[in-house]
Order: sequence, then structure tokens, then C-alpha cells
Amino acid sequence: GAGVSQSPSNKVTEKGKDVELRCDPISGHTALYWYRQSLGQGLEFLIYFQGNSAPDKSGLPSDRFSAERTGGSVSTLTIQRTQQEDSAVYLCASSPQGGEQFFGPGTRLTVL
Amino acid sequence: QQQVKQSPQSLIVQKGGIPIINCAYENTAFDYFPWYQQFPGKGPALLIAIRPDVSEKKEGRFTISFNKSAKQFSLHIMDSQPGDSATYFCAASNRGFGNEKLTFGTGTRLTIIP
Repeated sequence: GAGVSQSPSNKVTEKGKDVELRCDPISGHTALYWYRQSLGQGLEFLIYFQGNSAPDKSGLPSDRFSAERTGGSVSTLTIQRTQQEDSAVYLCASSPQGGEQFFGPGTRLTVL
Repeated sequence: QQQVKQSPQSLIVQKGGIPIINCAYENTAFDYFPWYQQFPGKGPALLIAIRPDVSEKKEGRFTISFNKSAKQFSLHIMDSQPGDSATYFCAASNRGFGNEKLTFGTGTRLTIIP
């Protein structure tokens, strides 16, 4: 079956512009996660969706970051007024409840 | 505050050797400790995971050793091969709390030379 897919694979934007990153999780997975991987750093948790529960937004670095998950499936991570420090690889993962997290290939965001 | 510390940052081992990557955690509520393998341009993939009720887990050539009292765990790769060259991340989560978000170490870039 298909794995987690993310689009676009690469995004170059200018400082101050808004960007939207998309994640299509594995069908049937109830949990969806967003992580950020900066150069030379580990993965940093951003936000977690589990079923119909309120999302855990505790990892979002500022109010410029937001995410939504529509219909319990596709998720969009939005970064408003992008800054150069937002440049990173944004990874999405999905899992069945209590199960292994499967990661997508990531979106490489470059803010000029 | 980094809750999972990983070392070394990079490691070069000859084929057949046994690379060892170490992690230490601070949060005693963590109850699930996975290791992920990441190749360039790909997302991380689960390699092996352990819970704190066992001290060792082996899957193929990969072994996790876990020391609960020291709050440390390590990954050993037996008979390492050039195809094992990748970045390895340790992680931890508190599944008992019902939120399975992972806290990751900073990664180890492993190179196996023929």
C-alpha cells in the first residue's frame, strides 16, 4: 500500500510570504504528527492529531505556525510570514493508535 | 532543554565492525525507546524499539541495550555493512500518557567503510 506522502517535496519562498505544506497519511491511521528537522539537528515535534481529540500544539514554535487536519485524513501545515530560521525539512508521520510512526519523505523549505 | 542526548555525532567504522551509538534521557516518564534509520532524502524509518521492562532486545544484526537506572540506552550494529551507512536517531516517548509524540536525539551519522 501507499506510504505517507508529502507535497511539495521542495519549496523555496521569500521572507514574509505564507506557505502551506501538505501531508497525506496512510489510510486508516488515526494519528498524524508534524516534525521539523533543521540542519544538523534532530527532529523537533511540532503538532499531533489523534482522531477527533483536540490536537497537541505544544511544539509549535510561534503563532505563525498552524495546522489542520480535515476529515481525519489530510493535514496542512501553514507557516505565515516566513522567516529565514523557518528553513528546514518538515516531516509528517502517521500511525495507528499505539502503533509505529511511519514518516513521509518530507518537504524541504528554503526561505530566502 | 534537550531531553534526549545522543552521541557520537558521527562515527566511521570498518565493515564487519560493531558501531555503538549511545543515548541518555532525563524524563523518567518515558516508556518507549525507538531507534530510527534515515537515508539521505528519505524520512526516518523505525529500526528497532524497546520498553523499559527489558534490558536488551535483538532484531537481526541490531541490538538495543537499556539501562533504566542510568537512564541510558544504546544501539549496537553487528557485522556492519556499507549499506548500514545512514543517520541514526534515538527517540523516546511516554505512551502511557496517551500522547505518542517522540522526543528525538540529535542524530549520529554512521559511515561504514569497505
